This record gives sequence, structure tokens and C-alpha cells, in this order.
Amino acid sequence: ETGVTQSPTHLIKTRGQQVTLRCSSQSGHNTVSWYQQALGQGPQFIFQYYREEENGRGNFPPRFSGLQFPNYSSELNVNALELDDSALYLCASRRDGGGRNYGYTFGSGTRLTVV
Amino acid sequence: QQQVKQSPQSLIVQKGGISIINCAYENTAFDYFPWYQQFPGKGPALLIAIRPDVSEKKEGRFTISFNKSAKQFSLHIMDSQPGDSATYFCAATFGGSQGNLIFGKGTKLSVKP
Repeated sequence: ETGVTQSPTHLIKTRGQQVTLRCSSQSGHNTVSWYQQALGQGPQFIFQYYREEENGRGNFPPRFSGLQFPNYSSELNVNALELDDSALYLCASRRDGGGRNYGYTFGSGTRLTVV
Repeated sequence: QQQVKQSPQSLIVQKGGISIINCAYENTAFDYFPWYQQFPGKGPALLIAIRPDVSEKKEGRFTISFNKSAKQFSLHIMDSQPGDSATYFCAATFGGSQGNLIFGKGTKLSVKP
């Protein structure tokens, strides 16, 4: 197992710009979720992908979008960045055989700062 | 509406003492309650988890106590060590492939030597 790798680790963008964050999951982990963690808060669920299809979404606007690829990598795209988008973005993956929703492995996150 | 409420926000414990963090949930459909440990600059790591049909689960120095009727669960860290200093999050989720983790706001634990 190689864990969950996220890139970049840190990023500074200007308000109104677009950003793409990347995640490489462990082999066989067919479910990936993205979370936003504001400073001093718990992670908030953005959305989840299962076998390249979005199958769950939290209370985030459509300018937050994602993709999952067959090679267990995924992307989080955020358009029209706002100052409040500044946060740590976490990718989490697990192997889902259709049973229990357990055993997420989190990456170390991408720290996004919007100025 | 916050579905998982966690307290205290911060906790200072002496080395060798017991650290206790509490969480309360609202949705009785939750069926899995994990605790995560997060060090600065790292993502959350699963520490221990419990299902609602069990009242207590122990793994080493870490114990979860679960009270289904009160909709509360807690993490106990016995013989707390400075290396336990981290932020701890309780979470809850539903079973099945479409669930997601709902986290508390976290407790920053400092263990003093």
C-alpha cells in the first residue's frame, strides 16, 4: 500500500480564479471522498465518487466539482474562488465492496489560500 | 444544524492522566462512530471505532464508551502521553456505499510532561 497522496501541498490563488487539486488513492480503493477543513474546524463533506460516478454530495455549490479516474486518482475543481474557500482540502479513499462504509484513509491535504 | 457535537474544544492533561472527550449525535440512523486523530500538517487517521450494538470497545490505551439511549459516545485515553497531543475528532456515518463521515468540531489535546 502506498497511502493517499495529495498534490500540491500548498497553493495560493487569487479570488475569482480556478483551481484543481489532485489525489492519488491506494490501488483498489474505488471510493473517494473530498472534504474541506476550515481552520479550527472538523472536515466538511464535499462529495464522493464511486467507480467514477458522483454518488453523494454535501452542502457545497456547483462550482465545486470533481472527477475520478480508473487509475484510482481523482481531482477536485473549484471555480470562481472566494476568500472563504481558503481551507485544507482532504481526500479520503476506501475499498467499497457494496457493504459497510468503513475504513477511510485520508491524505495529508492541500492547504489552499485565496487572496 | 450540527449533527455531531463534540466537547471540550480543548483539553490539557498531565502525563499519565486520563483524557476524556465527549460527543453527542442527533440522527439515530447513524450506525458507525469512528474517532480520528490529527497531527498538525497531516490528515485525520482512524484511531478506533464502534457500532451502536456495542457499549464499549477497547484498543490498547484507547476506549470508546457508547450510550445509545442518550445518543452519546466518548473517547477515553488512559495513561495519556505527550505523544498523544493532537486534535481528536469524533464522527458518525451511515452504513452502505453512499454514506459520508460527519465530523465533530474537534478537541485539541495537550498532554503535559
